[in-house]
Amino acid sequence: NAGVTQTPKFRVLKTGQSMTLLCAQDMNHEYMYWYRQDPGMGLRLIHYSVGEGTTAKGEVPDGYNVSRLKKQNFLLGLESAAPSQTSVYFCASSKPGLAGIPNTGELFFGEGSRLTVL
Amino acid sequence: AQSVSQHNHHVILSEAASLELGCNYSYGGTVNLFWYVQYPGQHLQLLLKYFSGDPLVKGIKGFEAEFIKSKFSFNLRKPSVQWSDTAEYFCAVTTGAGSYQLTFGKGTKLSVIP
Repeated sequence: NAGVTQTPKFRVLKTGQSMTLLCAQDMNHEYMYWYRQDPGMGLRLIHYSVGEGTTAKGEVPDGYNVSRLKKQNFLLGLESAAPSQTSVYFCASSKPGLAGIPNTGELFFGEGSRLTVL
Repeated sequence: AQSVSQHNHHVILSEAASLELGCNYSYGGTVNLFWYVQYPGQHLQLLLKYFSGDPLVKGIKGFEAEFIKSKFSFNLRKPSVQWSDTAEYFCAVTTGAGSYQLTFGKGTKLSVIP
């Protein structure tokens, strides 16, 4: 079982370039998330999705777009990369929670994608 | 919106020392609380979680955490740390029904010296 897989694992971009990070999960989870991790800042939620075809903004959505065309995939796009987007990006997924509690909060993470924008 | 505070940025301990990492959250309603661990070069994984019931929860690898509602705290403890516990530890919270967002603290880096 692969769990959550992110590609690419490393990427270097120049300012203004675009790119897409792909997240794939094989656990049939409904919910998927994109976080960024920066030193001293912990993890901050960029966007999330509660089901195929739906997306929503998290804490730091500016400069990013996402799509969830298939249940197992969640794409994170940078249309015009900026040095401030240099970070490690983590995708995660989770299953629906108990009755009345939409999110159990137990996330399964990918191994991260390290992005450097010059 | 809820927030999570972790008091220590970096903790350095010798093997066999006891560990307590502080975590406080700000939210007045029902919360679900978590500790995640990130070993060097690896992804985050769940250490333990609290939803309801016994406020003392036990997780993997000998870790435990105590939920004290009156103090809005969920501190992580381990009686005797090992070198292999060297990692970064994140406290996280999600509120009750209706929230899809897991809010993380900024993390505490633990270094265990052999």
